[in-house]
Amino acid sequence: DAGVIQSPRHEVTEMGQEVTLRCKPISGHNSLFWYRQTMMRGLELLIYFNNNVPIDDSGMPEDRFSAKMPNASFSTLKIQPSEPRDSAVYFCASSPMGRGGEKLFFGSGTQLSVL
Amino acid sequence: GESVGLHLPTLSVQEGDNSIINCAYSNSASDYFIWYKQESGKGPQFIIDIRSNMDKRQGQRVTVLLNKTVKHLSLQIAATQPGDSAVYFCAETRSSGGSYIPTFGRGTSLIVHP
Repeated sequence: DAGVIQSPRHEVTEMGQEVTLRCKPISGHNSLFWYRQTMMRGLELLIYFNNNVPIDDSGMPEDRFSAKMPNASFSTLKIQPSEPRDSAVYFCASSPMGRGGEKLFFGSGTQLSVL
Repeated sequence: GESVGLHLPTLSVQEGDNSIINCAYSNSASDYFIWYKQESGKGPQFIIDIRSNMDKRQGQRVTVLLNKTVKHLSLQIAATQPGDSAVYFCAETRSSGGSYIPTFGRGTSLIVHP
């Protein structure tokens, strides 16, 4: 298995633009997480899906952020409009456990820079 | 230990020494703990886990110790190698509506000098 696949690897955009980050979880995993990592705040959980259904989105910073999981093999995290303070590394992770949590398998992340 | 502010706590060791990385967790109801290793430019990778009904678990060159009384977790790495240089995170898992969601600590940077 190729592991969790995230795209793009790097994204540079201007303030106000829409940004879409993509994730393909490991086949057979039924839980998917989006995390944001910054030096100031460390790894923050943004949203968590179980069997394609959003379970906990309390970490989503504001209405500018939205996430979808239309099927078991694909998820997106969208920021519209983007702001410089959104600059961070965004990680997607999947887990084989139906309850979520347990051991997470992370992708390589998307480095987002909003100018 | 875990950090506040901009800089991660850093542990510098010589190759071949043993390393001990500490973590204080916050939720006394957490019942599952994981250590992850994050190398530069990569996502965190699972190292070892422990459930709250245990106080010690050993893997290959790594040992995790859990002290629930003081909500403290440690990761011991034996015979540390340059390839062990990375940021290490502990994660505690809490229950939310029947699901288990990990919360990560701030991380500790391990630097291994050859």
